[in-house]
Amino acid sequence: RKEVEQDPGPFNVPEGATVAFNCTYSNSASQSFFWYRQDCRKEPKLLMSVYSSGNEDGRFTAQLNRASQYISLLIRDSKLSDSATYLCVVNMGGYNKLIFGAGTRLAVHP
Amino acid sequence: NAGVTQTPKFQVLKTGQSMTLQCAQDMNHNSMYWYRQDPGMGLRLIYYSASEGTTDKGEVPNGYNVSRLNKREFSLRLESAAPSQTSVYFCASRDYTDRTDTQYFGPGTRLTVL
Repeated sequence: RKEVEQDPGPFNVPEGATVAFNCTYSNSASQSFFWYRQDCRKEPKLLMSVYSSGNEDGRFTAQLNRASQYISLLIRDSKLSDSATYLCVVNMGGYNKLIFGAGTRLAVHP
Repeated sequence: NAGVTQTPKFQVLKTGQSMTLQCAQDMNHNSMYWYRQDPGMGLRLIYYSASEGTTDKGEVPNGYNVSRLNKREFSLRLESAAPSQTSVYFCASRDYTDRTDTQYFGPGTRLTVL
């Protein structure tokens, strides 16, 4: 089993739709969690950290479920510019324990 | 601030050739990383440097060496390139404190080994 798993997609949604991605992780001792965004042929960039109580940043909401070992990302009112690959990242502790999922591709169409 | 810079952006090598990928950051971060990204896979850690003067192997270090030249610069060397090393290579620096944990990536080097 992979340490961090994501549905690769693609998720094809119309503008204005709400879309949600999940990411599961295998190590219950994982300490912190993140969502990164990667545009086609570009470098990943931090979208948001995921806090235990859940957190929101504009149209984006991140949730953590430690009991079931998954994190989620909800995007409301999707924009064309949201089209990208979303990477789930889990810090299992230490400098060399930042594990990246393979990403979920989102395509928003007019 | 330029953030994290990498050179070259593209490179084609023949099997057995060597090359060095350069990376520099101007954010005064202590830790720096080299990753490779292959289709359908997450970023995989090749080597990292937790601070100036230290380097350690990551998940996939075979065929690579690194040098942390100073706090700003962290280079990756392929001594004898193989087709399996065809990939996109990202360098990153990490802002890692009690209150924050963010990796900043360079634009990547697209390497093809023939």
